Amino acid sequence: DSGVTQTPKHLITATGQRVTLRCSPRSGDLSVYWYQQSLDQGLQFLIQYYNGEERAKGNILERFSAQQFPDLHSELNLSSLELGDSALYFCASSVGAGGLNTEAFFGQGTRLTVV
Amino acid sequence: AQTVTQSQPEMSVQEAETVTLSCTYDTSESDYYLFWYKQPPSRQMILVIRQEAYKQQNATENRFSVNFQKAAKSFSLKISDSQLGDAAMYFCAYRAPQGAQKLVFGQGTRLTINP
Repeated sequence: DSGVTQTPKHLITATGQRVTLRCSPRSGDLSVYWYQQSLDQGLQFLIQYYNGEERAKGNILERFSAQQFPDLHSELNLSSLELGDSALYFCASSVGAGGLNTEAFFGQGTRLTVV
Repeated sequence: AQTVTQSQPEMSVQEAETVTLSCTYDTSESDYYLFWYKQPPSRQMILVIRQEAYKQQNATENRFSVNFQKAAKSFSLKISDSQLGDAAMYFCAYRAPQGAQKLVFGQGTRLTINP
């Protein structure tokens, strides 16, 4: 158990809908990262938050947004869902925002299926 | 932009034998970090081993070791005395030392252990 909790584990929804994925980082970790794992794109970095502020942005679609709350949990919002958004979405957390031993610990992911 | 390439989509090895998974990367940075992650059927991303580019000594973790060739930009993973529990997808990943702490992943190698 990495200490990173993601809910829900599975989500099935229809095209055009909106969903929210939730992540609770390890106790004491200030950074949260979101990754998308799909068959065609592999594992891709979406976005990073550090202590409530956006730190880095990757290949995140405009239909997607995220935030980190004062209690450090994070939510990834996916809207106007398309079939191609079906993927495994990972959250990871780390103590800091960078540096030598900023190991990222991954949650078990949320499997999103868009039908 | 940094890229990571794993040229072996699938590998197999007999139980108790040794197997080497290949990874090459491209970067203009002189300092960076490299990782191997394991993803078993449970989907959990598990850190296997890490290497700091400024360290010439190859990292080892029990049965897992790396062959880090900085000039060649190569970072292979050797698994000795393979066990059935080693069966998984293995991902090579790169991380810059400063700035965005995102991980850049390769496409993965599926490792099968034959009893």
